[in-house]
Amino acid sequence: GDSVTQMEGPVTLSEEAFLTINCTYTATGYPSLFWYVQYPGEGLQLLLKATKADDKGSNKGFEATYRKETTSFHLEKGSVQVSDSAVYFCALRGPGANNLFFGTGTRLTVIP
Amino acid sequence: DAGVIQSPRHEVTEMGQEVTLRCKPISGHNSLFWYRQTMMRGLELLIYFNNNVPIDDSGMPEDRFSAKMPNASFSTLKIQPSEPRDSAVYFCASSPIAGRYNEQFFGPGTRLTVL
Repeated sequence: GDSVTQMEGPVTLSEEAFLTINCTYTATGYPSLFWYVQYPGEGLQLLLKATKADDKGSNKGFEATYRKETTSFHLEKGSVQVSDSAVYFCALRGPGANNLFFGTGTRLTVIP
Repeated sequence: DAGVIQSPRHEVTEMGQEVTLRCKPISGHNSLFWYRQTMMRGLELLIYFNNNVPIDDSGMPEDRFSAKMPNASFSTLKIQPSEPRDSAVYFCASSPIAGRYNEQFFGPGTRLTVL
């Protein structure tokens, strides 16, 4: 079945450091891929998405590229800020499906 | 738009009591999802509805859990009787009808503690 494997955390970085959170997936066909972010005490918010191979999703300085050859959708940011501290979830929606499959989440803490 | 609205935000109850969680989806959204989040199991889909009809309830843990969507603007998730292992944050999300481009919008969640 469809699934997402996400890098386990927690991840602690200094401000302005480079961030990578790995995400790989298993799916039949061509799924859509998402990154959601959850700030403390809040629900999940869509951060970015990509719906076909080689698409790059980007938002708020974060990027992720849909790599079908490696079945990956790694999240990157060149220079993190304290305000980026949150839990990040990789997610997948199969073709024709309505529901999402989420990874376990990666907690990021950015220290000044 | 106010976004997805959930109530209550926090609920503390004793084992054996009935618990009802409520959700108001974004107006115009046809799909509604209930998720449960715990440290041990992460984020789990419990059930989802399309046009008020339950489509997949395979994630509902057991018969103690039930969900209804009597109309397009309201859904409930009920646990009866509640148990300490039901303690979790329960999220409701809504989206436009099925489509690979459609984003799910999450509510702020209800933190349930069963003593």
